[in-house]
Amino acid sequence: DGGITQSPKYLFRKEGQNVTLSCEQNLNHDAMYWYRQDPGQGLRLIYYSQIVNDFQKGDIAEGYSVSREKKESFPLTVTSAQKNPTAFYLCASSRITGGGTDTQYFGPGTRLTVL
Amino acid sequence: GENVEQHPSTLSVQEGDSAVIKCTYSDSASNYFPWYKQELGKGPQLIIDIRSNVGEKKDQRIAVTLNKTAKHFSLHITETQPEDSAVYFCAASYTGGYQKVTFGTGTKLQVIP
Repeated sequence: DGGITQSPKYLFRKEGQNVTLSCEQNLNHDAMYWYRQDPGQGLRLIYYSQIVNDFQKGDIAEGYSVSREKKESFPLTVTSAQKNPTAFYLCASSRITGGGTDTQYFGPGTRLTVL
Repeated sequence: GENVEQHPSTLSVQEGDSAVIKCTYSDSASNYFPWYKQELGKGPQLIIDIRSNVGEKKDQRIAVTLNKTAKHFSLHITETQPEDSAVYFCAASYTGGYQKVTFGTGTKLQVIP
């Protein structure tokens, strides 16, 4: 089955700790994205990457970091600098066609709770 | 930048009735408008999309309409079923370059059996 996997499904973090959320896709998509979703709100873009070894900040990148060493993988690290990290994190991917990006498809999400 | 407004925030309908969710966008350059369905604790799933060169698109009980002049688009679900209960998000983007997608704030649809 082709798709996007995120792990873990639930993650608990103590204050002051860094945690890394995994995102893997086997859709052969070039572009990958990380979003944050808070209760009753829409999706806010954290980081995106259109090609291996390159990524760009989104609207709320402070306190987060990413890497893109492989086309299939785009892990997100939530650092201790992120003041309010409790949220639902969504990874997405899309093709790049004709100079632009195509429809984004989402993974199942990781719910991060800070204790 | 693009701004997408979505209404209503909650919607309750009787099973079998129709549901309509409306969105407006601000950037006339936007040319791609997907709709996503998100069930509790899951990631959003694409249910239908429309591009700016068409005014309407249907897929079984779901349809989307687009009015470029007024900058609004709507999702129509007919013959609603309990499994349609979820949060629905509209979105807008420009596909000519990097596709920054702007999402609406979501509509929680409840279908009452």
